[in-house]
Amino acid sequence: TQLLEQSPQFLSIQEGENLTVYCNSSSVFSSLQWYRQEPGEGPVLLVTVVTGGEVKKLKRLTFQFGDARKDSSLHITAAQPGDTGLYLCAGASRAGGTSYGKLTFGQGTILTVHP
Amino acid sequence: NAGVTQTPKFQVLKTGQSMTLQCAQDMNHEYMSWYRQDPGMGLRLIHYSVGAGITDQGEVPNGYNVSRSTTEDFPLRLLSAAPSQTSVYFCASRSNFYGYTFGSGTRLTVV
Repeated sequence: TQLLEQSPQFLSIQEGENLTVYCNSSSVFSSLQWYRQEPGEGPVLLVTVVTGGEVKKLKRLTFQFGDARKDSSLHITAAQPGDTGLYLCAGASRAGGTSYGKLTFGQGTILTVHP
Repeated sequence: NAGVTQTPKFQVLKTGQSMTLQCAQDMNHEYMSWYRQDPGMGLRLIHYSVGAGITDQGEVPNGYNVSRSTTEDFPLRLLSAAPSQTSVYFCASRSNFYGYTFGSGTRLTVV
């Protein structure tokens, strides 16, 4: 069973601060996805990283995939109250058979950004 | 452009009752899956399907059945509800290896 450990579980910061969320595993994933979820809604895909060492930027959000494709991080610069939500990382299984593309989720990070 | 539609949004069941959670997508996606979300546990895969007529078990399949007679629909059945099945259930679909679309969820309480 592939496991993803996400940390921290809770993060409470002031507007303007920077933060990093980590996602670690002992397993190799074909790709790593990050989702954001708001109360009462389903997760919404933010980004997918595929190549080891890959870095993607989405405005103030920077996503990195580890060289060995076992870990990832999400860095938010100058956080804003609108960034508040649950952030989830998810690893996709390696290709092969009907397990192709199955997602394994981390436990999630609840981020609260105070004005 | 509806995406993934789940019904009902809320449901309360008594222990032992059965029900079906509906999931429909209008994007012609082959891959569909069901997850449950519990506090501190992230999302756990219940069942998934790689196409009409093909289903397989995920991480936590006990107590749940699925079928996939069409590309569009992927219902999840609880045969005899138990309090441990109190959770929020999400259906998701993808068109390729990367793009997952989730429904807005069904909040189920079993008393």
